[in-house]
Amino acid sequence: SQQGEEDPQALSIQEGENATMNCSYKTSINNLQWYRQNSGRGLVHLILIRSNEREKHSGRLRVTLDTSKKSSSLLITASRAADTASYFCATDAGGGGAQKLVFGQGTRLTINP
Amino acid sequence: EAGVAQSPRYKIIEKRQSVAFWCNPISGHATLYWYQQILGQGPKLLIQFQNNGVVDDSQLPKDRFSAERLKGVDSTLKIQPAKLEDSAVYLCASSVRPGTEIFFGPGTRLTVL
Repeated sequence: SQQGEEDPQALSIQEGENATMNCSYKTSINNLQWYRQNSGRGLVHLILIRSNEREKHSGRLRVTLDTSKKSSSLLITASRAADTASYFCATDAGGGGAQKLVFGQGTRLTINP
Repeated sequence: EAGVAQSPRYKIIEKRQSVAFWCNPISGHATLYWYQQILGQGPKLLIQFQNNGVVDDSQLPKDRFSAERLKGVDSTLKIQPAKLEDSAVYLCASSVRPGTEIFFGPGTRLTVL
């Protein structure tokens, strides 16, 4: 079952612009993680944000979390061609030692030079 | 630090045949996961190990899939017999413990003909 739902499903912008991707989920979570996946490659962990955190930064990435709205956003500033990839949010709602990380369908981001 | 290692990277088999995948997690990571990613979808958790014990295998099709992590380090995932719908990328991942960042291997792309 899908927990996180990314929006939009696809996004195409010009190099240098900012890209914003959104994720909505349905149940209470322990944390939410964002991943990047280049075509035909493995998943790369970007940021983990815990349920008691509202915002985290890592380089050109900014993640926000609104637990009241059950939503998160990933902002990539000053986009580069190398940012072209699929981006997934994954929610961890596990308990009792199980980390049940449930992924959404992803947002396919294309950065045009 | 070495990442999660998987082999083989690609495998093509015919339906009803058997196949096995191998995973070596990051050193010191107690938690190991196997995910299945069908083309165009987000990864789906198949099984989670904590050391050599199974924590969650609720989405593992146990009539044909099996996994083990005998010494709490390496793991193997087996499919016997394979079906056409098993064509996917099988991702191994590991984390220090539940609730922390999960790091993924490059995956094994399985094609069932």
